[in-house]
Amino acid sequence: GQQLNQSPQSMFIQEGEDVSMNCTSSSIFNTWLWYKQDPGEGPVLLIALYKAGELTSNGRLTAQFGITRKDSFLNISASIPSDVGIYFCAGQKTSGSRLTFGEGTQLTVNP
Amino acid sequence: DGGITQSPKYLFRKEGQNVTLSCEQNLNHDAMYWYRQDPGQGLRLIYYSQIVNDFQKGDIAEGYSVSREKKESFPLTVTSAQKNPTAFYLCASGQGGAYGYTFGSGTRLTVV
Repeated sequence: GQQLNQSPQSMFIQEGEDVSMNCTSSSIFNTWLWYKQDPGEGPVLLIALYKAGELTSNGRLTAQFGITRKDSFLNISASIPSDVGIYFCAGQKTSGSRLTFGEGTQLTVNP
Repeated sequence: DGGITQSPKYLFRKEGQNVTLSCEQNLNHDAMYWYRQDPGQGLRLIYYSQIVNDFQKGDIAEGYSVSREKKESFPLTVTSAQKNPTAFYLCASGQGGAYGYTFGSGTRLTVV
């Protein structure tokens, strides 16, 4: 099945650094979602984006819905050790349709 | 509190045995999904169901079976035909619209 192109695959950073990751597609999506998966757990929704160009924040997290509707970005500011995990993007083409997931970005934060 | 429950968290089985993973939700969601996750890899869709008594194959359905007799429940059976069953299995549910999915906490299956 189709996958979104998510990058980078993995990141190793120091505590306090900012992080950026992105997701791109050759298709248009009308909804973009970002999930975080803690080790050994299921993914949890962080941010949902519904409008091209939209910029949404959730604490230290900021996500943007690309204006072409083919990409999305997630930024984490001032990283802390509990940010460790896998971050997944997901796109939805129409309301109620199945999600398409990226392959994930594995984030490691060194104290 | 509403949520989605997967049980057990860890499961060990001998090769050649069928095993059933449980997934129950009390979110009143119509759609339910099963994903497989291997180390360092993303989420691969096994089966999904958008309504009771109906389900569709996902990208990697071979060696798996499901049923959807109740809205709340979507059990996954890993059969002996699945060549490499050891993996982390995630169940999810969705209410439709543009609200994404709610995931369970996963079942780690180890076949020895």
